[in-house]
Amino acid sequence: DQQVKQNSPSLSVQEGRISILNCDYTNSMFDYFLWYKKYPAEGPTFLISISSIKDKNEDGRFTVFLNKSAKHLSLHIVPSQPGDSAVYFCAASGGNQFYFGTGTSLTVIP
Amino acid sequence: NAGVMQNPRHLVRRRGQEARLRCSPMKGHSHVYWYRQLPEEGLKFMVYLQKENIIDESGMPKERFSAEFPKEGPSILRIQQVVRGDSAAYFCASSVLDSSYNEQFFGPGTRLTVL
Repeated sequence: DQQVKQNSPSLSVQEGRISILNCDYTNSMFDYFLWYKKYPAEGPTFLISISSIKDKNEDGRFTVFLNKSAKHLSLHIVPSQPGDSAVYFCAASGGNQFYFGTGTSLTVIP
Repeated sequence: NAGVMQNPRHLVRRRGQEARLRCSPMKGHSHVYWYRQLPEEGLKFMVYLQKENIIDESGMPKERFSAEFPKEGPSILRIQQVVRGDSAAYFCASSVLDSSYNEQFFGPGTRLTVL
C-alpha cells in the first residue's frame, strides 16, 4: 500500500527553465513533508521540508508547495541547472516513520 | 563532523548465508532508521531504533531480519539465511531527535547481492 506516490518516473527540462516535481499522499495524518535528492551510488540528501501548518516553503531555487485539501505537494526548481539532474524522492511523516515515494528522475538538459 | 557511515558498501552472499550491515550514525545522533530500496521502488521503512531500544519495527519482515543499536558501537541490521529477494540497497539514516519535524541524514547505503 503506497501511501506516498510520485506518478512521474522521469522528467526532462531545459537548463534555465522551471522543474516541477509532484507528489501525492493518502494519509491525512501526515504532518511533515520532505524532499530528498539522490545521486547514483549515494544516499539521499535532504533538500527542503514543509510542515502541515504551512502551504509554501522557499529555499533559494527550491520551493515546496503543499495543498492539504488535495493531499498534494510539489517541488519547484527554478532556474534548473544541469547539476540538479538526480532522482528526487518526496517523503511524508506522521510519527516515527517516514514514507517515501518511488522517486522521479530529473534530467536537466544543458 | 563525519556523516552517516555504512559498511560494507557492497556485500555479496550466497543463498542461506548471513548478511550483517553496519551503520554508524552522525556524531551526537541517537536515533537510527533502516530502509530498504528494491529495484524500481522507493525507500521502504524497516525499523527505528534508539540506543539499546527498538522503537518501531513494523516494517521489518517477521522472520530472518533483526536489528540492534547497542550502547557502544554501530547499529547492525542482520539478515539470516538470505534469499535472492533480499538483494537490494539498504540505507540507514540518523537524526538528533525523533522523526517529528526533524530531517534524517542518510548514509551511502549497502548494496546486498544474493547469488
